[in-house]
Amino acid sequence: DTGVSQNPRHKITKRGQNVTFRCDPISEHNRLYWYRQTLGQGPEFLTYFQNEAQLEKSRLLSDRFSAERPKGSFSTLEIQRTEQGDSAMYLCASSPRQKFYGYTFGSGTRLTVV
Amino acid sequence: DAKTTQPPSMDCAEGRAANLPCNHSTISGNEYVYWYRQIHSQGPQYIIHGLKNNETNEMASLIITEDRKSSTLILPHATLRDTAVYYCIVRVEEVGGANSKLTFGKGITLSVRP
Repeated sequence: DTGVSQNPRHKITKRGQNVTFRCDPISEHNRLYWYRQTLGQGPEFLTYFQNEAQLEKSRLLSDRFSAERPKGSFSTLEIQRTEQGDSAMYLCASSPRQKFYGYTFGSGTRLTVV
Repeated sequence: DAKTTQPPSMDCAEGRAANLPCNHSTISGNEYVYWYRQIHSQGPQYIIHGLKNNETNEMASLIITEDRKSSTLILPHATLRDTAVYYCIVRVEEVGGANSKLTFGKGITLSVRP
């Protein structure tokens, strides 16, 4: 297991379409986080899971956004009815619960809404 | 979590030490200082963290002032591959080792010149 894997790396979609991203965390990490990053800004927190439970959601996560982690392993982030403002890098990170060394981030999925 | 202030950018010569400053004048006694960096088109990477003592690992050193209102990340021998955005973050380490979200600012862009 070499790290956090995110797919796809790039996604171009038309406005109004739905998109889904996948994140595979490091296998022994039970915490998983989603962030969004726009150009020139630092990553912004969206939501996080401990195992399959979604424990916190940002106000940035509108009702068009939904995240799941059904078996406490991989997670998906879905955006419905995409808007141009959704264009961003979507980053996933994972961490172990027992001791905090730092999150491990994936390389992200870059979404472009045209 | 306390806010941090970093200059927007700095540069240094390859092979020289890079000293990246961070102000966190409102830091609380139970808040740690974390540093992450983000190389272009990649997710952020954990570098180091500390509470009040200076810390060193294979990547960098972290110097925290006695009053804990500021800190400096030191890359002892900067290389071209250290060109990145560096984020200074303060956050509470929750009781029991639980994790909470990281709040990123805009960071400081370090450019290492040949």
